[in-house]
Amino acid sequence: DVKVTQSSRYLVKRTGEKVFLECVQDMDHENMFWYRQDPGLGLRLIYFSYDVKMKEKGDIPEGYSVSREKKERFSLILESASTNQTSMYLCASREGATEAFFGQGTRLTVV
Amino acid sequence: DAKTTQPNSMESNEEEPVHLPCNHSTISGTDYIHWYRQLPSQGPEYVIHGLTSNVNNRMASLAIAEDRKSSTLILHRATLRDAAVYYCIPSGGGGGNKLTFGTGTQLKVEL
Repeated sequence: DVKVTQSSRYLVKRTGEKVFLECVQDMDHENMFWYRQDPGLGLRLIYFSYDVKMKEKGDIPEGYSVSREKKERFSLILESASTNQTSMYLCASREGATEAFFGQGTRLTVV
Repeated sequence: DAKTTQPNSMESNEEEPVHLPCNHSTISGTDYIHWYRQLPSQGPEYVIHGLTSNVNNRMASLAIAEDRKSSTLILHRATLRDAAVYYCIPSGGGGGNKLTFGTGTQLKVEL
């Protein structure tokens, strides 16, 4: 059974903390993505990666960075968490233009 | 990215067919038309995709207009478990194969 696994389902962090959201896929996919989802705004792409150590900004990269040191792992980093980064974060992976697989999501609350 | 237009919401009765429309008049010639759905409290899941011809799989059918400017996702017999937000996404082989989500159609299924 193919899987995209996000390290935490729920996370509470304090303003100013450095936050790491981890995503692992076991399908050897080249492409990995980070989205955030907010009520009324739908899913918005933060960053994506099409190969190890390669990354590209999505639609809303401000306040975020990413790391992809190994093919199976794609990390989203909030350098200094702020309350407006409270959201549901979704990771996905995909090979070429085939179907994408999503993780269950991490609900991050910044207090 | 091609823009899409979908109804905000639709309703259906259980065991009746459902036709979910999508307009994507700016689709490029190489874009596939993908459909995903998102059940409550879950990440999106793949439903179906196609390029020019109508497509069928165990979940649904996809009818693509001859000019490819619109498509219709068909659920042959809706069940309560089909209540979800359905997203239509034109997606090609370039740009890191990213998926750009719109606001989708909220499908409500009633007994």
